[in-house]
Amino acid sequence: DSGVTQTPKHLITATGQRVTLRCSPRSGDLSVYWYQQSLDQGLQFLIHYYNGEERAKGNILERFSAQQFPDLHSELNLSSLELGDSALYFCASSALGGLNTEAFFGQGTRLTVV
Amino acid sequence: GIQVEQSPPDLILQEGANSTLRCNFSDSVNNLQWFHQNPWGQLINLFYIPSGTKQNGRLSATTVATERYSLLYISSSQTTDSGVYFCAVRLNSGNTPLVFGKGTRLSVIA
Repeated sequence: DSGVTQTPKHLITATGQRVTLRCSPRSGDLSVYWYQQSLDQGLQFLIHYYNGEERAKGNILERFSAQQFPDLHSELNLSSLELGDSALYFCASSALGGLNTEAFFGQGTRLTVV
Repeated sequence: GIQVEQSPPDLILQEGANSTLRCNFSDSVNNLQWFHQNPWGQLINLFYIPSGTKQNGRLSATTVATERYSLLYISSSQTTDSGVYFCAVRLNSGNTPLVFGKGTRLSVIA
């Protein structure tokens, strides 16, 4: 158990809908990262939050947004869902801003858009 | 951005065999991690190894940062070692995330 908790584990939804994925980082970790893993794209970085502030953005679509709350949990919101958004979404946490610190991943949320 | 190349892309081993997986990266890094993604999709931390050598049971890893590569050794492989092995690195500057290679898919057959 990595200590990073993601909910839900599985999600099936229809095209055009909106979903929210939730992540609780390891106790004491200030950084949260979101990644998308699809069959043809590998593990792609989406966004990084540190202590409530956005620190870096990757290949995150405009239909996607995220935030980190004062209790350090994070949510990834996916809207106007398309079939191509079906993927495994991972959250990771690390102690500091990322420099010289190990990142730990949650079990992922498997999203299926039908 | 930084390039991370893993080889081989696929590997099939007989149970009990040894193997070496390689990760090459294109720039100076301050963080390198090896992960195992099991058949259920979980990403399991194997090593945090920006430099040097570490061992954990039948697995060991070596990173030669100056030459920009890392090696993961699996000895006496077991069927439970099957899955995809990822190398991920973070640049040695700025606020950058972990960048993943495409992985090595390992199948260990009994």
